[in-house]
Amino acid sequence: RKEVEQDPGPFNVPEGATVAFNCTYSNSASQSFFWYRQDCRKEPKLLMSVYSSGNEDGRFTAQLNRASQYISLLIRDSKLSDSATYLCVVNMAFTGGGADGLTFGKGTHLIIQP
Amino acid sequence: NAGVTQTPKFQVLKTGQSMTLQCAQDMNHNSMYWYRQDPGMGLRLIYYSASEGTTDKGEVPNGYNVSRLNKREFSLRLESAAPSQTSVYFCASSAGSGANVLTFGAGSRLTVL
Repeated sequence: RKEVEQDPGPFNVPEGATVAFNCTYSNSASQSFFWYRQDCRKEPKLLMSVYSSGNEDGRFTAQLNRASQYISLLIRDSKLSDSATYLCVVNMAFTGGGADGLTFGKGTHLIIQP
Repeated sequence: NAGVTQTPKFQVLKTGQSMTLQCAQDMNHNSMYWYRQDPGMGLRLIYYSASEGTTDKGEVPNGYNVSRLNKREFSLRLESAAPSQTSVYFCASSAGSGANVLTFGAGSRLTVL
């Protein structure tokens, strides 16, 4: 059964704070992991890929924990503009690895408060 | 700067009517996808086209047909719309052949009465 689980939130966080949320996945053979950001009534956009060694892009840090089958997203010094829904995306295809194997979580809603 | 373009942005249909959602990408991507997004359900794959000339069913294909008209264009057709097809539809593309990163269109909001 394909499954990507996220806490739907909302996470209400004051501006400037650090916030982190996780995403668990069920298929231990999954190879590719991503975080997408979706603003209200807009399309999802790639925020960052998640590599085995972890990766950082400015205020955003993504980590992969294969042993426990979860990925995480950390946002430091949060801005009002970070308010959005964050989608966890996992490729659960056994072969090929094309985007048809992508499974989307339902998203975590983040609200940054002034 | 177009990327992926979808039309129409909004549509209201009556039960039983048909319509086609159009999608075009200008990034020379091989693979194209149609998703639907419903509250509390996340994005679900309807159909995809790994390359020009091929189409395959995704997770929720019933009630839909697709056509990969050429490398740029991938259309989604509802032959006899049902209220359960009320949703937001997103077209997306990727470079294909193992490439996972998707570029989405702005979405099409469909209401079936």
